[in-house]
Amino acid sequence: DSGVTQTPKHLITATGQRVTLRCSPRSGDLSVYWYQQSLDQGLQFLIHYYNGEERAKGNILERFSAQQFPDLHSELNLSSLELGDSALYFCASSPLYQETQYFGPGTRLLVL
Amino acid sequence: AQSVTQLGSHVSVSEGALVLLRCNYSSSVPPYLFWYVQYPNQGLQLLLKYTSAATLVKGINGFEAEFKKSETSFHLTKPSAHMSDAAEYFCAVSGATSYDKVIFGPGTSLSVIP
Repeated sequence: DSGVTQTPKHLITATGQRVTLRCSPRSGDLSVYWYQQSLDQGLQFLIHYYNGEERAKGNILERFSAQQFPDLHSELNLSSLELGDSALYFCASSPLYQETQYFGPGTRLLVL
Repeated sequence: AQSVTQLGSHVSVSEGALVLLRCNYSSSVPPYLFWYVQYPNQGLQLLLKYTSAATLVKGINGFEAEFKKSETSFHLTKPSAHMSDAAEYFCAVSGATSYDKVIFGPGTSLSVIP
């Protein structure tokens, strides 16, 4: 158990819908990272938040957005969902940044 | 821009044999380098990391990796493979600041043959 929790574990929705994925980092960790893992794209870095501020953006679509709240939990919002958004979404946290990242178990999203 | 390549999307070794997983990176700044392992239906777990200290880095489960700047490589090795080592292995690179992205390689699937 890494100490990072993600909810929900599984999510099935339809195209065009909007979903919110939630991540609770390890106690005291200031950084939260979001990743998307799919068979065709591999593991893609989406975004990094540090102590509430966005610090780095990767291959994150404009339909996707994220935020980190004052209690340091983070949410990833996915809107206007497409079939290709079906993937495993991981959250990771670290005490500061560019250190060991502790990964959550992931949220498996299926868009039908 | 930073990038990571992993030679061999799938590697098979016999139990007890040497494990060698290759990773090459490109980075315009001194990099931080990581190896992560992912077991089926689980998240990633750090095996080891290089952060400009010793070039030979020892990790968990008997794995180690050597940073070779001249070859821009960070290959992962283990002297004797165990059945429990079968998993997906990812090499990753990042810069040293909070504004740097973390770039993961495509991964190498390791199979261990009894």
